[in-house]
Amino acid sequence: TQLLEQSPQFLSIQEGENLTVYCNSSSVFSSLQWYRQEPGEGPVLLVTVVTGGEVKKLKRLTFQFGDARKDSSLHITAAQPGDTGLYLCADPPFRTRKLIWGLGTSLAVNP
Amino acid sequence: DTAVSQTPKYLVTQMGNDKSIKCEQNLGHDTMYWYKQDSKKFLKIMFSYNNKELIINETVPNRFSPKSPDKAHLNLHINSLELGDSAVYFCASSHHGSGDGYTFGSGTRLTVV
Repeated sequence: TQLLEQSPQFLSIQEGENLTVYCNSSSVFSSLQWYRQEPGEGPVLLVTVVTGGEVKKLKRLTFQFGDARKDSSLHITAAQPGDTGLYLCADPPFRTRKLIWGLGTSLAVNP
Repeated sequence: DTAVSQTPKYLVTQMGNDKSIKCEQNLGHDTMYWYKQDSKKFLKIMFSYNNKELIINETVPNRFSPKSPDKAHLNLHINSLELGDSAVYFCASSHHGSGDGYTFGSGTRLTVV
């Protein structure tokens, strides 16, 4: 089973700091989705990136898709405690029926 | 209105019991899923139904049996529960092949004692 590699696995920072998390695959993505899972809830879709080199912004979150479509990053500016959660990247089903998940980055933002 | 609702939220039961988890979606999606999230937070697909047809059936013990009475509902029945079944089970739905994201329920935390 293909797995997406996410790094770092755990990240604990202070409120106001910036951070970047990464998602990598040995295969080319057709597209890539980022989800955030808050404690006690299911994952929620944040963004889908499709085109190599694409950059999307969602308030303080900036998502970048690598030119070769084999990697992606999520940058959070001035992190807040509400950003705490598990950030998951996923390769949506295109030729297969299964969405492929990364193992996630667990982020804790301390007040 | 909750888009994907699953019940119960918490389930504590003894080994050997049989239990069911129910899921309903009001998004008009044609595909529904059951995922298991273990203590390491990895999301593992178990089953998927598209318009009431089973399309994904991963290597899951046959004690787990999904049932989809219609495309808005997907239930999960578990027989002879074991300690290792303890996990959080998520229901999700999507439009198959659309590239749109999955919408998840809030999960059922199953604890087998």
